[in-house]
Amino acid sequence: DTGVSQDPRHKITKRGQNVTFRCDPISEHNRLYWYRQTLGQGPEFLTYFQNEAQLEKSRLLSDRFSAERPKGSFSTLEIQRTEQGDSAMYLCASSWDGNTEAFFGQGTRLTVV
Amino acid sequence: QKEVEQNSGPLSVPEGAIASLNCTYSDRGSQSFFWYRQYSGKSPELIMSIYSNGDKEDGRFTAQLNKASQYVSLLIRDSQPSDSATYLCAVKGAGNQFYFGTGTSLTVIP
Repeated sequence: DTGVSQDPRHKITKRGQNVTFRCDPISEHNRLYWYRQTLGQGPEFLTYFQNEAQLEKSRLLSDRFSAERPKGSFSTLEIQRTEQGDSAMYLCASSWDGNTEAFFGQGTRLTVV
Repeated sequence: QKEVEQNSGPLSVPEGAIASLNCTYSDRGSQSFFWYRQYSGKSPELIMSIYSNGDKEDGRFTAQLNKASQYVSLLIRDSQPSDSATYLCAVKGAGNQFYFGTGTSLTVIP
């Protein structure tokens, strides 16, 4: 499979728990993006990586959120002390460079109860 | 002002008709423009990319870009019920992120 892969597809967690999501981008892609999408809205930018470097982080991203891409391949997004407002679809996308198409994974749907 | 604006719809067209989806953007420095299709509960799927003024055709889809008017559109010819989805316009500006509109919901009526 040469597409973007995300794991898990669904996650239900209790408020206050920590969760971690994984994204495996298309193998030759240098850029990796994390987005969040809630019902009726377009994807909202969270952060992006150029290889292993995290180059931009949204001002909307609280310090409960952290992302890594340790070897420039897969990436993880961790949310600490989850809140009900964190319930959303978390989308990962990758692209060859900054101007070419970005391809999305299947997403991880998070429900905080 | 939002970076990317789309009419949320819903837009309904009969099967076989042309569906026209529109998008405007605010950053004049934007270089790359994309249309994604998103079925309910699924992730966005890339349909078209366009980088220069004019039309770009791919099968039943035509993307149109007018940078002077900061306007990009998507035409779907011979619309099929399977085209019923939300269509997201995305714009890549001088910065490093893709900005998305809220999407236009399209329903193709058999």
